[in-house]
Amino acid sequence: AQSVTQLDSQVPVFEEAPVELRCNYSSSVSVYLFWYVQYPNQGLQLLLKYLSGSTLVESINGFEAEFNKSQTSFHLRKPSVHISDTAEYFCAVSPYNQGGKLIFGQGTELSVKP
Amino acid sequence: DVKVTQSSRYLVKRTGEKVFLECVQDMDHENMFWYRQDPGLGLRLIYFSYDVKMKEKGDIPEGYSVSREKKERFSLILESASTNQTSMYLCASSLWVRGGSYNEQFFGPGTRLTVL
Repeated sequence: AQSVTQLDSQVPVFEEAPVELRCNYSSSVSVYLFWYVQYPNQGLQLLLKYLSGSTLVESINGFEAEFNKSQTSFHLRKPSVHISDTAEYFCAVSPYNQGGKLIFGQGTELSVKP
Repeated sequence: DVKVTQSSRYLVKRTGEKVFLECVQDMDHENMFWYRQDPGLGLRLIYFSYDVKMKEKGDIPEGYSVSREKKERFSLILESASTNQTSMYLCASSLWVRGGSYNEQFFGPGTRLTVL
């Protein structure tokens, strides 16, 4: 079985400050790793993913996440946030050979204040 | 662009009613999924389908059923709605996943269901 834990339910930060959203997972099989974002009143969008290769992955809007196998973590970071980054962020895993199923964490609300 | 549409953004039903939530995708995806989203719990998988007339239970199937008569359409059915089924329901679709590969899931905008 797999589980995903997002360690912070809410993260308030000021604009242009750095931010880290934490994600840990447990799994008995290998997994792919994802961060999804949900802007207010919208559906989920894929932010970034780790499938293989370099453990550091980046999104087009400045977020990055690093896969740490030994610590079973996939934390999301951004060096300088904008008001427009205000959203809910979900960490998810997809176990190998299980048809693409996603197991989500509880979500972290990022609130960026001016 | 992949488009996943859901029949309603907001729905209000009464306890005991039979409720149908419809999802349609336009990219010929084999896989379709239904999740419910609740504050503090994230998204939880209710049912998924790999092909027409095929369905698999997810993590929380109790109180729900599904129907997939056509490849592009996946329906979630609440046989007798209860107040604890008040939630946001999200549909997603993806291409068929072979072996250890992965294909991105694309999500619809969601249906916020309130059961009174």
